[in-house]
Amino acid sequence: AQTVTQSQPEMSVQEAETVTLSCTYDTSESDYYLFWYKQPPSRQMILVIRQEAYKQQNATENRFSVNFQKAAKSFSLKISDSQLGDAAMYFCAYRQGAQKLVFGQGTRLTINP
Amino acid sequence: KAGVTQTPRYLIKTRGQQVTLSCSPISGHRSVSWYQQTPGQGLQFLFEYFSETQRNKGNFPGRFSGRQFSNSRSEMNVSTLELGDSALYLCASSFGLADYEQFFGPGTRLTVL
Repeated sequence: AQTVTQSQPEMSVQEAETVTLSCTYDTSESDYYLFWYKQPPSRQMILVIRQEAYKQQNATENRFSVNFQKAAKSFSLKISDSQLGDAAMYFCAYRQGAQKLVFGQGTRLTINP
Repeated sequence: KAGVTQTPRYLIKTRGQQVTLSCSPISGHRSVSWYQQTPGQGLQFLFEYFSETQRNKGNFPGRFSGRQFSNSRSEMNVSTLELGDSALYLCASSFGLADYEQFFGPGTRLTVL
């Protein structure tokens, strides 16, 4: 079964600095999607960024970018110029085809002003 | 476009009771997924419905059931509630079954006393 592991339960960063959240996954599939979701204290989960496994180029969305290492099964999220509004739980997730979305345990990110 | 709505937002029940939670997807979305979120187990997939048919099911006991109506609205039911069922129940909708992006609702906070 596919598993997603986030080894950092908590992270903190100074405002305007850069932080990287780690995620590893286990799969025998070659074609799949990877995601980072953000869950602010208000609880509404929103998609931050996605990566298709067949694409070698790392996805980027404004201040958010990923480092996708397919062979190593690693999918880290880099947040540049951290802002107070980035404070949230971040979940890494995996999905293969029409199968269920599998989430990691989450990383709580704190932004220090 | 209105987002995913879930009702009720908060619910308190006692052991042995049953509960029904409702989810209205984004207009035009035909796939609805349900997740249970707890501090100890994280986010766990319950089931996914597409065009009124259950397409995927997680590892939950038969006390957890769901359905989807012709207008894509979905309900999940938990019978014979246990203390361990206390959780945030999240609903997510997407246009298609294998679409990469799921849009989450705010969740229903269920407390079982």
